[in-house]
Amino acid sequence: GAGVSQSPSNKVTEKGKDVELRCDPISGHTALYWYRQSLGQGLEFLIYFQGNSAPDKSGLPSDRFSAERTGGSVSTLTIQRTQQEDSAVYLCASSLPGVRGSNEQFFGPGTRLTVL
Amino acid sequence: GEDVEQSLFLSVREGDSSVINCTYTDSSSTYLYWYKQEPGAGLQLLTYIFSNMDMKQDQRLTVLLNKKDKHLSLRIADTQTGDSAIYFCAPVQMASGGSYIPTFGRGTSLIVHP
Repeated sequence: GAGVSQSPSNKVTEKGKDVELRCDPISGHTALYWYRQSLGQGLEFLIYFQGNSAPDKSGLPSDRFSAERTGGSVSTLTIQRTQQEDSAVYLCASSLPGVRGSNEQFFGPGTRLTVL
Repeated sequence: GEDVEQSLFLSVREGDSSVINCTYTDSSSTYLYWYKQEPGAGLQLLTYIFSNMDMKQDQRLTVLLNKKDKHLSLRIADTQTGDSAIYFCAPVQMASGGSYIPTFGRGTSLIVHP
């Protein structure tokens, strides 16, 4: 079956504009994660969805960042009033539910965001 | 929060063994993952170890865990040019929101030359 897909693959925007990034997880995966990978840095956790539970938003860097997951499947990460420091690759991953982190994450190819 | 450190680069000759090291700070980490990212591709799980183990072997891969020193290593035997990639250490810890989330290091670029 298909893996995790993300769109767009590249996004260039102007400072101050809003952007939406989309993630389609693997069918049947109830867990979905968003990460940010800045140049030369590790993956920074942003937000985690698990089934119908309230999302873990503890990694979101500011209130300009938000994410939704509709119908337990597709997720959208929204960045409002983008800043140049938001430029990064945004990665989405999905997994089956696991106990205390015992679940392999399947990553999408990422969306490269460039804020001019 | 968790801090994960890896050296940024490792260069080895084809056929030699590679050892990629990782140190972390959260002693309550449950699972410790190694992910691989090949050029132009997404991250893929390579192997993992549960925190109550000290060694795991999987074909050419050997994972060693020293919980006391919070040190994790990945050894690749008979390294091939196809092993050239970025390797990420990712121990799982509880995030401040209560979920178990892998924390990724910056990754080690493994360069294999003939």
